Amino acid sequence: EAEVAQSPRYKITEKSQAVAFWCDPISGHATLYWYRQILGQGPELLVQFQDESVVDDSQLPKDRFSAERLKGVDSTLKIQPAELGDSAMYLCASSSGQSRGIQYFGAGTRLSVL
Amino acid sequence: ELKVEQNPLFLSMQEGKNYTIYCNYSTTSDRLYWYRQDPGKSLESLFVLLSNGAVKQEGRLMASLDTKARLSTLHITAAVHDLSATYFCAVVRYTGTASKLTFGTGTRLQVTL
Repeated sequence: EAEVAQSPRYKITEKSQAVAFWCDPISGHATLYWYRQILGQGPELLVQFQDESVVDDSQLPKDRFSAERLKGVDSTLKIQPAELGDSAMYLCASSSGQSRGIQYFGAGTRLSVL
Repeated sequence: ELKVEQNPLFLSMQEGKNYTIYCNYSTTSDRLYWYRQDPGKSLESLFVLLSNGAVKQEGRLMASLDTKARLSTLHITAAVHDLSATYFCAVVRYTGTASKLTFGTGTRLQVTL
C-alpha cells in the first residue's frame, strides 16, 4: 500500500540552529501539504503545493520557515533559526485531487527544540 | 475565519457503552472528514461526508453530517478498547485555487474495561 514517507522521524536541535524535514508523497499525488501539530491540538496547515507551485502559505512564518517542491514530487520544509516554540510534530500529507479529496498523512517528524 | 469545535475534548467510557462526539463549524462547507490518531502516530482517514444528510458507517463507528446546522456527529456503538484514540473532524474551506482543511481540537477517547 502506497504511503507518504517522511524523514527524520525525530529531530532534537538547539534553538538558533537550522533544521530540515523531507517528505515524499504518494506517487502521482499532485497536491502536497505541510502541517504543524502542537501536542494536544489539531494539525494546522503551514503550506500547500499544487505540483511545484505554492497555492497557500498564509500560515507559514516566512521569516524563519521555508518550503520547496522543486520538481513537483518530494518536498523539504526548513526552519532557520529554530525557536523553542517550534517544538511540535510536523506532518506531511498528499492528495490526488480525486478520491473525494482525502488527504493521506505521513508518520510525521517530531521536533524538539532545546 | 473558519472555526471548528469538538466536544467533548476528553471522553472516558466503559466497554460496551454508546456515546457521540460532536463537531460544530462556523461557516458553510459541503465536505467534512473524520480522522483517527493513535498516540505518537499519524492521522488515518475514517470517513468523508460529502452532502447534507450523509451517513457513513464502519464497524462500531457511524458519522453523519447536517450542513444546515453545521454539525457532524461521530457515534460509537458498544465501545471496545481498540477504539481508544484521538478523533479529529476537519472541514474544507475553498480559497481561490486552494482547498484548505481546518481541523477541530480533537476528542481524546479512552475506553476502559
